[in-house]
Amino acid sequence: DAKTTQPPSMDCAEGRAANLPCNHSTISGNEYVYWYRQIHSQGPQYIIHGLKNNETNEMASLIITEDRKSSTLILPHATLRDTAVYYCIVGDDKIIFGKGTRLHILP
Amino acid sequence: GAVVSQHPSWVICKSGTSVKIECRSLDFQATTMFWYRQFPKQSLMLMATSNEGSKATYEQGVEKDKFLINHASLTLSTLTVTSAHPEDSSFYICSARQLDRGTYEQYFGPGTRLTVT
Repeated sequence: DAKTTQPPSMDCAEGRAANLPCNHSTISGNEYVYWYRQIHSQGPQYIIHGLKNNETNEMASLIITEDRKSSTLILPHATLRDTAVYYCIVGDDKIIFGKGTRLHILP
Repeated sequence: GAVVSQHPSWVICKSGTSVKIECRSLDFQATTMFWYRQFPKQSLMLMATSNEGSKATYEQGVEKDKFLINHASLTLSTLTVTSAHPEDSSFYICSARQLDRGTYEQYFGPGTRLTVT
């Protein structure tokens, strides 16, 4: 079973920052937080991952709380192409997908 | 970098026949590959994990004799759906984990849509 809880859907205006929350209260010390997204009828795309520290790459930023029980994925300037299902995943080996958050970018 | 391909991208077959799907890591070596299936409007479900040169590990409820997995090299894994039936129609997606990485991010293929008539 997935170890994360995400809202089923969110809306964000184009050009604004999209902040996607994820709860993972049962995360263990050696488990990473991964974020993937899936655009309709495509394979999932890796976005970012982190263990304890906040992380940033060319796609997004990942903010992990100090107790590691929750995290937020930030897409700084959302575009229509960011419309997808976003999956927050916790694990240290195989990746088990939950239901994710369906993000709608509004023009 | 970290590109995974699948072939074919879609396939239609008749009930009772077998279908083979290939998954390749194009620019890296993958010690471990994973196979998922996805039904419409549902999330991805992990079917099995395969390590190069050893038998695949199947998730609970997945029939190993029906879904044959071979991981013959560090860049190729195959999934064969044997004696396919309409209920096997689904989107099959593979992923590969890069060799000697300190973390476990996986890179996914574009998926193969199987339709069994």
